[in-house]
Amino acid sequence: DSGVTQTPKHLITATGQRVTLRCSPRSGDLSVYWYQQSLDQGLQFLIQYYNGEERAKGNILERFSAQQFPDLHSELNLSSLELGDSALYFCASSVDVIRGTGNTIYFGEGSWLTVV
Amino acid sequence: SQQGEEDPQALSIQEGENATMNCSYKTSINNLQWYRQNSGRGLVHLILIRSNEREKHSGRLRVTLDTSKKSSSLLITASRAADTASYFCATVGGWGETSGSRLTFGEGTQLTVNP
Repeated sequence: DSGVTQTPKHLITATGQRVTLRCSPRSGDLSVYWYQQSLDQGLQFLIQYYNGEERAKGNILERFSAQQFPDLHSELNLSSLELGDSALYFCASSVDVIRGTGNTIYFGEGSWLTVV
Repeated sequence: SQQGEEDPQALSIQEGENATMNCSYKTSINNLQWYRQNSGRGLVHLILIRSNEREKHSGRLRVTLDTSKKSSSLLITASRAADTASYFCATVGGWGETSGSRLTFGEGTQLTVNP
């Protein structure tokens, strides 16, 4: 158990809908990351938050947004869903201060999203 | 986009044999981390090696890093059927980059250990 908790574990929804994925980082971790894993694109970095502020942005679509709350949990919002958004979405966390200080990044079990 | 490539893409060995997986990357790094993923499950952290380190051990795992060649290898000794999984290397960018501390993953090696 990495200590990173993600909910829901599985989600099936229709095209055009909106879903919210939730992540609780490990106790004491200030950084939260979101990743998408799909068969054709592999593991893609979406976005990083550090202590409530956006730190880095990757291949995150405009239809997707995220935030990190004062209690450090994070949510990833996916809207106007398309079939191609079906993927495994991971949240990860680390103590991390700034720019890769060598801290281990721990991943949750992921949220399986199926868009039908 | 993927930072690097892993080699081989798939590896099948017998229990008790050693498994070696290689990873190459393109840009300067701060550290490199190896992960294991069982089918459809979460990523389990195996080992982190910093850019100023050349070799690290953890149990049956040995990781090497050659920054001059921008490559790393993961050796699993005395493999077991339970080691069957996908193995990923991931890099964290070097100082001066604005990429935060995100990991950039390779495409992974699928290891199958036959009983």
